[in-house]
Amino acid sequence: EAEVAQSPRYKITEKSQAVAFWCDPISGHATLYWYRQILGQGPELLVQFQDESVVDDSQLPKDRFSAERLKGVDSTLKIQPAELGDSAMYLCASSSLTGNYGYTFGSGTRLTVV
Amino acid sequence: QQQVKQSPQSLIVQKGGISIINCAYENTAFDYFPWYQQFPGKGPALLIAIRPDVSEKKEGRFTISFNKSAKQFSLHIMDSQPGDSATYFCAASPFGNEKLTFGTGTRLTIIP
Repeated sequence: EAEVAQSPRYKITEKSQAVAFWCDPISGHATLYWYRQILGQGPELLVQFQDESVVDDSQLPKDRFSAERLKGVDSTLKIQPAELGDSAMYLCASSSLTGNYGYTFGSGTRLTVV
Repeated sequence: QQQVKQSPQSLIVQKGGISIINCAYENTAFDYFPWYQQFPGKGPALLIAIRPDVSEKKEGRFTISFNKSAKQFSLHIMDSQPGDSATYFCAASPFGNEKLTFGTGTRLTIIP
């Protein structure tokens, strides 16, 4: 079964340091999403890509967060500088535009900022 | 602004019983309502989904009931099993847009 790959699985970083997460969506999936899930809450969308273009980044804190999907395949989410409140699970998801609206999530990157 | 309200926050059900989780939404543009199941350390996985043109959808032991006029939908898990113990999220997205708005989650525990 095809999966969305994310790395690293866990990341501990110090406040004010830079951190990056990587996502490889299911092959052929044009749409890619980054969600943030704070412990005990539902996921919240950070950014949505259609191929290499950003469709929605209205909830992305652009002063410290950036995301790219240069060739329309894999994607990187970066935080610089990290703050204590950024501690969360960062989830990547992808979907094909087949109309069934089925997301597939990766297992996420658990970020702890100390 | 929280657009999808989910309850209860946690739920304990005996094995073989029925688990019921409820969600309510505000945005009338929503037209796709999925439920996701999440185990610790894993990403959410799509469980079942419904569109507002039907009032109920059943897949195995899982049923979604949908009330368009009340803007509410619920997940029913029949014959609940210990393996169903997980966190469940309802979600919604508007027509023509796959952007999902999630509820706050329900931690379900099935006891023997």
